Amino acid sequence: EVQLVESGGGLVQPGGSLRLSCAASGFTFSDHYMDWVRQAPGKGLEWVGRSRNKANSYTAQYAASVRGRFTISRDDSKNSVYLQMNSLKTEDTAVYYCVRDGELSGVYYFDYWGQGTLVAVSS
Amino acid sequence: DIQMSQSPSSLSVSVGDRVTITCRASQGINNNLAWFQQTPGKAPKSLIYAASRLQSGVPSKFSGSGYGTDFTLTISSLQPEDLAIYYCQQYYAYPFTFGGGTKVEI
Repeated sequence: EVQLVESGGGLVQPGGSLRLSCAASGFTFSDHYMDWVRQAPGKGLEWVGRSRNKANSYTAQYAASVRGRFTISRDDSKNSVYLQMNSLKTEDTAVYYCVRDGELSGVYYFDYWGQGTLVAVSS
Repeated sequence: DIQMSQSPSSLSVSVGDRVTITCRASQGINNNLAWFQQTPGKAPKSLIYAASRLQSGVPSKFSGSGYGTDFTLTISSLQPEDLAIYYCQQYYAYPFTFGGGTKVEI
């Protein structure tokens, strides 16, 4: 059974930093791309970024709203993906979801979601 | 960025109804379109990918269709557990973008 468990959320002041973790199990983690998606309170879904797999050099892609402030990394030996968030703003307040990607003919799509972790940025 | 628009934004239905939700992309996205279901207080759940392929374990009452810019999600016979917000998402180009959601309620 695929499981994704996020942790590391909490309350942080504007300008602060936080590191989210996502522990994966039930599948061969190193084969998969992984994404982060967030949802502000009462709002819709917003893609944050993607980590490609080892076969694609672990490269990452980011939404413009977080580029230069957020960094996605992964440790395949720990079956984990991370989201380092720096220079946090109040508008970064959201539930952050870790998402596994499936693949069809070289195109990667979201298939499994974690339960999410809440990040609140406030003074 | 590719804009995704959904209609309607909300839908009042009865148990047993057939429900259709529409999603339109601001430019062609081939079939790189997914649908997600989010029940109150829960994480989103993947329903459909590649516009019409059911995710593993998703009941066949859900179906998707479309190509290019226009897509639909259909629920053949709505049940109480289907009350949720449904989102479409394009993964044709970065940044990936979502529709604003369709709230299905009784």
